[in-house]
Formats: sequence, structure tokens, C-alpha cells
Amino acid sequence: GDSVTQMEGPVTLSEEAFLTINCTYTATGYPSLFWYVQYPGEGLQLLLKATKADDKGSNKGFEATYRKETTSFHLEKGSVQVSDSAVYFCALSDGGATNKLIFGTGTLLAVQP
Amino acid sequence: GAGVSQSPRYKVAKRGQDVALRCDPISGHVSLFWYQQALGQGPEFLTYFQNEAQLDKSGLPSDRFFAERPEGSVSTLKIQRTQQEDSAVYLCASSLGSVETQYFGPGTRLLVL
Repeated sequence: GDSVTQMEGPVTLSEEAFLTINCTYTATGYPSLFWYVQYPGEGLQLLLKATKADDKGSNKGFEATYRKETTSFHLEKGSVQVSDSAVYFCALSDGGATNKLIFGTGTLLAVQP
Repeated sequence: GAGVSQSPRYKVAKRGQDVALRCDPISGHVSLFWYQQALGQGPEFLTYFQNEAQLDKSGLPSDRFFAERPEGSVSTLKIQRTQQEDSAVYLCASSLGSVETQYFGPGTRLLVL
């Protein structure tokens, strides 16, 4: 079945460092891809999404490009801030009648001042 | 406007007790999803409603789990005869339609002793 694999954390960076969180997927169809973020004590929030190959999703300085040839959707940010500390989840929607989300295991990002 | 709300936020149950978890979706959202998030894992799909119809319950782990949305708005997830392995965060999400962005509630953290 469809699945998502993302790099294990925790990822610890200094403020203003470059961030990459790797995400790859397996899917039989043409899924949409998402990054969700969970800040401490809060619920899951959609960070960005891409619905077809070569689309780039972006928000709050974060970017991810839907790469069908490598089945990847890596999350990047050029300069992280302490406020970016959170758990990041890569997910796909299966595109079926339900369109349920299938999540990776999450990556904890800790940014130090 | 108000987001997705869930109650209670925390629930402690003794093994064998029945519990009921409530979800209030965003007004007007047709689609409602329940997910289960075990500690250190990504959310996993449980069930999906379109209005009052439960169209997909393939993720419910056993017949002890039951969900309903009788008037197409508020939903209740019921777990009968709780077991320790049921301990998790239960997330509710709603969307305008199944292909639209899912908005998550804060979750109910269930601990079964």
C-alpha cells in the first residue's frame, strides 16, 4: 500500500542554519503531497502542499518540490528560527474516494539560539 | 471563525471502561476524518464521514471502535472495553470536501490504565 518515509530526528540546528528534512513516498496513483507541522502544545497545521509533479509548495519561508522521478518531497528552509522548533510530518493523500492522509513518523526539529 | 474542537482534551480510563470522544468540525465542512496517533508516530487513519454517511471505516482496529455522525455535524468516536494499546491521541479533521485541505483539531489524549 501507499506509504511515506521521512528522516528520523531529532534534528538540531543553530538559528539561521539551512534546513532539509527528507521525505520519500510510495504510491500506486498520483497523490497530493503535504507537510504538516505540530508546534508544542498545538494541533497539526498544514504548512504547504503540492498536488502534481514539479509543483513547488511554499509557506513561511519553507519550500518543497514534488519530484515524481525520485518520489520525493523534501522540506527546505534557508534560515531557520527558534520559533520553527516543532515536529514536521510529511503526508500524502491517497487520491481515492476517501482521500485519507497517510503520514510519515514525524521529524522533531530543535533550533537553538 | 472557530476551528475544529475536540473534547475532552484528556481522558484517563481504567481498562475495560467505555469512552466517548467528541469532535465538532468547522461549520459547513462536509468531510470528517478520525485519526489515531500513537506516541512518537504519525497519525493513522481510522474512519471517514461524508455528511452523516460513514463511507470508510477500514482503519478501525477492532469492533470495539465505533464512530457516528448522526446529523452530519458533530461526530463521536466510541471505544468499548478499552485496552492499554488504545492509549494514544485521537485526532479529528474536517474539510469542505474530501479533496480539500483537512483542518485538524487539538486531539484527545487517551490513557488507559
